[in-house]
Amino acid sequence: GEQVEQRPPHLSVREGDSAFIICTYTDSATAYFYWYKQEPGAGLQLLMSVFSNVDRKEEQGLTVLLNKKDKRLSLNLTAAHPGDSAVYFCAVSGPNTNKVVFGTGTRLQVLP
Amino acid sequence: EAAVTQSPRNKVAVTGGKVTLSCNQTNNHNNMYWYRQDTGHGLRLIHYSYGAGSTEKGDIPDGYKASRPSQENFSLILELATPSQTSVYFCASGGGTGTGQLYFGEGSKLTVL
Repeated sequence: GEQVEQRPPHLSVREGDSAFIICTYTDSATAYFYWYKQEPGAGLQLLMSVFSNVDRKEEQGLTVLLNKKDKRLSLNLTAAHPGDSAVYFCAVSGPNTNKVVFGTGTRLQVLP
Repeated sequence: EAAVTQSPRNKVAVTGGKVTLSCNQTNNHNNMYWYRQDTGHGLRLIHYSYGAGSTEKGDIPDGYKASRPSQENFSLILELATPSQTSVYFCASGGGTGTGQLYFGEGSKLTVL
């Protein structure tokens, strides 16, 4: 079945710096890609979603890159601020399934 | 606003006891999911459902049962709880293939002594 690896597990950046998180997946048929954010004591909330025909998507200081050849998905937070401190998860699903597989998470700390 | 509510939010159980975690969604979504979250493992899928009456095994179903009696409700059942099932459990609902967003509950923290 699908395997998703995410790194780094922990990331600490200064306010105003960029934070970069990367995921790799195994199934070339994977069609849908997601980034979620989890704040302390809460469930996950969707940040962005992309379909497999999109290589790059930008929204509100977030950039998602998809490299289907290398089966790699990345999230870049530009100009991070302390409110971005949270755990970030990538997630993927196939074209004919409702099963969503998550990465292992990245705990991001943005220092003032 | 999409709403997924879980109960109980916190539960302490004894080894060998029965535990039922309940989830209710008001989104009218067909799909519902149970994940557990553990440090170093992220979220792992236990069971999911395509609609009332259906349950499917996820990646780590052993030791767990699921029940979907209605569109709104999806339960996770531990018939004989073990300390290794100590975790935070999340329920989520979603509209279907490629619809993108899963809506998560706030989690249920289970401690098995």
